[in-house]
Amino acid sequence: DVKVTQSSRYLVKRTGEKVFLECVQDMDHENMFWYRQDPGLGLRLIYFSYDVKMKEKGDIPEGYSVSREKKERFSLILESASTNQTSMYLCASNKRTDTQYFGPGTRLTVL
Amino acid sequence: QQQVKQSPQSLIVQKGGIPIINCAYENTAFDYFPWYQQFPGKGPALLIAIRPDVSEKKEGRFTISFNKSAKQFSLHIMDSQPGDSATYFCAPSKILSTTRTDDMRFGAGTRLTVKP
Repeated sequence: DVKVTQSSRYLVKRTGEKVFLECVQDMDHENMFWYRQDPGLGLRLIYFSYDVKMKEKGDIPEGYSVSREKKERFSLILESASTNQTSMYLCASNKRTDTQYFGPGTRLTVL
Repeated sequence: QQQVKQSPQSLIVQKGGIPIINCAYENTAFDYFPWYQQFPGKGPALLIAIRPDVSEKKEGRFTISFNKSAKQFSLHIMDSQPGDSATYFCAPSKILSTTRTDDMRFGAGTRLTVKP
């Protein structure tokens, strides 16, 4: 079975802190994605990566950066967390643009 | 920006009813039409998907209907059960050798509640 794991299920941070969200997949997938999910807005793509060290901006990249140093690992970085970044963050991976496999999500609260 | 419009936003049916969720898209290049199911506290998971060479696909109680000319596809849940209560997302995409953001879009989601 495909497994996508995220480093934390719940995270509470202060405004201005630097936040790292880690995602690891074990199926040798080329593509990895970071989404945020907010009520009524569905899933919005923040960044994705189609290869190691490659990244593409999604629909809402402002305030975020990413890192993909190894094929199995994709990190989302909030350089200076703000309250409007309180959300559920979902990581996903797939081969090309086929079915996406999602992690369980990280619920981030920024105080 | 390519748009995907999913409707309704929420839906309440009685057990045994047949909820129908619709997804309309603009990008005529899409060639993969999945529905994802998400339970509270979990990430979305693929429920059923269709390619554009067929107009309907059935897996158990779940059916996708695809209308290429109307650029729409729908999810039907036969004999719905309280355990089907979840949020459903459509996510049409294009299978490419490289990935571009315009080639994959998630709908806003439909929260389905099936009452006992």
